[in-house]
Amino acid sequence: DVKVTQSSRYLVKRTGEKVFLECVQDMDHENMFWYRQDPGLGLRLIYFSYDVKMKEKGDIPEGYSVSREKKERFSLILESASTNQTSMYLCATRAGGPGELFFGEGSRLTVL
Amino acid sequence: AQSVTQPDIHITVSEGASLELRCNYSYGATPYLFWYVQSPGQGLQLLLKYFSGDTLVQGIKGFEAEFKRSQSSFNLRKPSVHWSDAAEYFCAVGAMEYGNKLVFGAGTILRVKS
Repeated sequence: DVKVTQSSRYLVKRTGEKVFLECVQDMDHENMFWYRQDPGLGLRLIYFSYDVKMKEKGDIPEGYSVSREKKERFSLILESASTNQTSMYLCATRAGGPGELFFGEGSRLTVL
Repeated sequence: AQSVTQPDIHITVSEGASLELRCNYSYGATPYLFWYVQSPGQGLQLLLKYFSGDTLVQGIKGFEAEFKRSQSSFNLRKPSVHWSDAAEYFCAVGAMEYGNKLVFGAGTILRVKS
């Protein structure tokens, strides 16, 4: 079974803090994704990576950056957290090309 | 632009009743489609997928979906709902022509009455 592990299930941060959300997968998948989930908006793609050291902007990249130094790890960074970044963040992986995504359990971030 | 619409934000059905969740898409390319389910506090789990071939696809937990190209729809069905099916359901669409990025619908929350 594919396992996608998000390091923190719940975080509470203050406005202006730097926030790191980490995602690790154990199936040697090429593709990794970060989504943001908000009620009534579904999942929106923040950033994705189709290979190590490669990253591309998704639909809502503003205020976020990512890092993929190793194949199994994809980090989402909020350089200066703001209250409008309070949300559920979901990491997903895919073997490559068209195919299903495998999701982590999510990280619920609250920014005060 | 690609878009996915799930017209129903909430649906309530009685246990044992049939279920249909709607999904419509707008794509300028040949799509492939998924249905995912999310239980409270959890990530998303794949229910079923369609890439090509038979337009009626079977998934886990007794779910099925039918791809109708003429209607740009991929509706999810289950003949008899169980209380454990209460969750949020997401339709997702992708296409090779768009870099295989998936676009998700806004989700439908299913409530099951006993």
